[in-house]
Amino acid sequence: AQSVTQLDSQVPVFEEAPVELRCNYSSSVSVYLFWYVQYPNQGLQLLLKYLSGSTLVKGINGFEAEFNKSQTSFHLRKPSVHISDTAEYFCAVSFQGAQKLVFGQGTRLTINP
Amino acid sequence: NAGVMQNPRHLVRRRGQEARLRCSPMKGHSHVYWYRQLPEEGLKFMVYLQKENIIDESGMPKERFSAEFPKEGPSILRIQQVVRGDSAAYFCASSLIATGSFDEKLFFGSGTQLSVL
Repeated sequence: AQSVTQLDSQVPVFEEAPVELRCNYSSSVSVYLFWYVQYPNQGLQLLLKYLSGSTLVKGINGFEAEFNKSQTSFHLRKPSVHISDTAEYFCAVSFQGAQKLVFGQGTRLTINP
Repeated sequence: NAGVMQNPRHLVRRRGQEARLRCSPMKGHSHVYWYRQLPEEGLKFMVYLQKENIIDESGMPKERFSAEFPKEGPSILRIQQVVRGDSAAYFCASSLIATGSFDEKLFFGSGTQLSVL
């Protein structure tokens, strides 16, 4: 079965600390991988995506993610978070190039001063 | 260039009523996707439409739900005889070309929060 799992529903961190948001998927076919961010009362914005090539992908706002095919993971990282990074983060996968995306359950990132 | 516009932002309906959710894609976009987000869950794909055509409705419930994207005007997601379980946030997204290539970004609206009393 094709599925996407975000292991942490909530992640609290202190400002300027590093953060990693985990995403794993289950698939026997090729995948395209995405991270979206949802700020309060707003729609989803694309942070970054992996289609092919280098497994380390850099996105907006200082975020990056690494595709690990053997571990079927696409974890999102930021070396130093800011208060403004407080939001809900969604991992999404396209299986075998399908138009529809399968989303994880989301991880709420809370930054404490 | 306005983004993807969804209205209303909040919609309250009583059980048995009809809910109509509207989505105006970004200018020039002819591909529209609807997703539903239930409480404490991720977004679930519902339907993919191009102008006047339904391309993929594999995520749509078999009954009471319908979607259209006419030649002129916004895309409409229609829910007939709503039940409490329909309470959710409904998001629309649009793209210039089919996201199968994924070279083109998918732009999301701010969503419509449907509450069924």
